Amino acid sequence: DGGITQSPKYLFRKEGQNVTLSCEQNLNHDAMYWYRQDPGQGLRLIYYSQIVNDFQKGDIAEGYSVSREKKESFPLTVTSAQKNPTAFYLCASSIPVGSLRLNEQFFGPGTRLTVL
Amino acid sequence: AQSVTQLDSHVSVSEGTPVLLRCNYSSSYSPSLFWYVQHPNKGLQLLLKYTSAATLVKGINGFEAEFKKSETSFHLTKPSAHMSDAAEYFCVAGGSARQLTFGSGTQLTVLP
Repeated sequence: DGGITQSPKYLFRKEGQNVTLSCEQNLNHDAMYWYRQDPGQGLRLIYYSQIVNDFQKGDIAEGYSVSREKKESFPLTVTSAQKNPTAFYLCASSIPVGSLRLNEQFFGPGTRLTVL
Repeated sequence: AQSVTQLDSHVSVSEGTPVLLRCNYSSSYSPSLFWYVQHPNKGLQLLLKYTSAATLVKGINGFEAEFKKSETSFHLTKPSAHMSDAAEYFCVAGGSARQLTFGSGTQLTVLP
């Protein structure tokens, strides 16, 4: 089955620790995205990547880092510099379309990160 | 700049009655528009999308939405609610990959 997997589903971390969230897709999509979701709010874009070895900051990139060494994988590291990291993190992928039109994004099941 | 406003944060309906979830958008051009559904602790699933081919868009699970340019609206409807429809719904506007904008969500409750 094609899809997006995120692991782990639940993650606990102590303050001051870095933690890496995994996102893998076998849809052969070029573009991948990381979003953060907080209660009562829509999704906010952290980072996105339209092609291997390239990525761009989203609206709330501070305290996060990413890499895109393989087409299938787009891990997100939540660093100790992120002041309020407890949230639900969603990874997505899509086939990028140029200019003004956008294909839909396909979402993974999410990782819930809790900082203790 | 692009924005999406979901006019109701919570909607409650009885099972078997119609559903209306309201969404207005603001964009300097005609955007792609989507509705996604999210069940608790799950990822988002696409319900339907508008990409200018037809103003009335049919989606999965009996949902549909109508794009009204004059009203800058893209409301989601379903004739008869089912218990399994209880979830959070997001209206999303898409431009380039950099310009995907989410509404704040509408929590739908279906009462027996």
